[in-house]
Amino acid sequence: AQKITQTQPGMFVQEKEAVTLDCTYDTSDPSYGLFWYKQPSSGEMIFLIYQGSYDQQNATEGRYSLNFQKARKSANLVISASQLGDSAMYFCAMLPDSNYQLIWGAGTKLIIKP
Amino acid sequence: ETGVTQTPRHLVMGMTNKKSLKCEQHLGHNAMYWYKQSAKKPLELMFVYNFKEQTENNSVPSRFSPECPNSSHLFLHLHTLQPEDSALYLCASSQVRPSGRQLTYEQYFGPGTRLTVT
Repeated sequence: AQKITQTQPGMFVQEKEAVTLDCTYDTSDPSYGLFWYKQPSSGEMIFLIYQGSYDQQNATEGRYSLNFQKARKSANLVISASQLGDSAMYFCAMLPDSNYQLIWGAGTKLIIKP
Repeated sequence: ETGVTQTPRHLVMGMTNKKSLKCEQHLGHNAMYWYKQSAKKPLELMFVYNFKEQTENNSVPSRFSPECPNSSHLFLHLHTLQPEDSALYLCASSQVRPSGRQLTYEQYFGPGTRLTVT
């Protein structure tokens, strides 16, 4: 079965602290992509970062980095120096190479406290 | 306009109404998607269009009718909806190979239409 699991329904983090959002996945495909999206309360889904299953290095995009541990099938998102504007829902998703439908996790609601 | 746009942003309709949601992408992509996002549920893929051809219909009720007149535009026609259809409807686009496989992996989303069925 192909599945994404986000075990943290909600998180509170103090502003300027780093935060790690957990994501584990399950697939038998040897090739796949992993994504994180941010959804503010306004509703739009914003692409943050991508990691390919054969990428040797962890992906980074500004304050976002993806802690990819292939053997553990985890793809945690790390946000450094959190800001109030980071408050949003965060979704982890997977795209196995065998199809083109993204498989989504249930999301984590992140609230940054001033 | 850039990216993916959706209109209207908010829609309230009765169960007997007919309305349409519109999506337009300005990214030169060749695949477009409709998603439904209900409260406390993962995103549900409804329809996929590759090269204007519908390739996926994930058991969506016939009261939802998609239309893709060209690779830049996607519509979702709504009729005789139920209150449980109230949700955020998101449109997305991406670039795919002719086989349907992703060329670039990211899907880019529009801002969504928040639909309330009364």
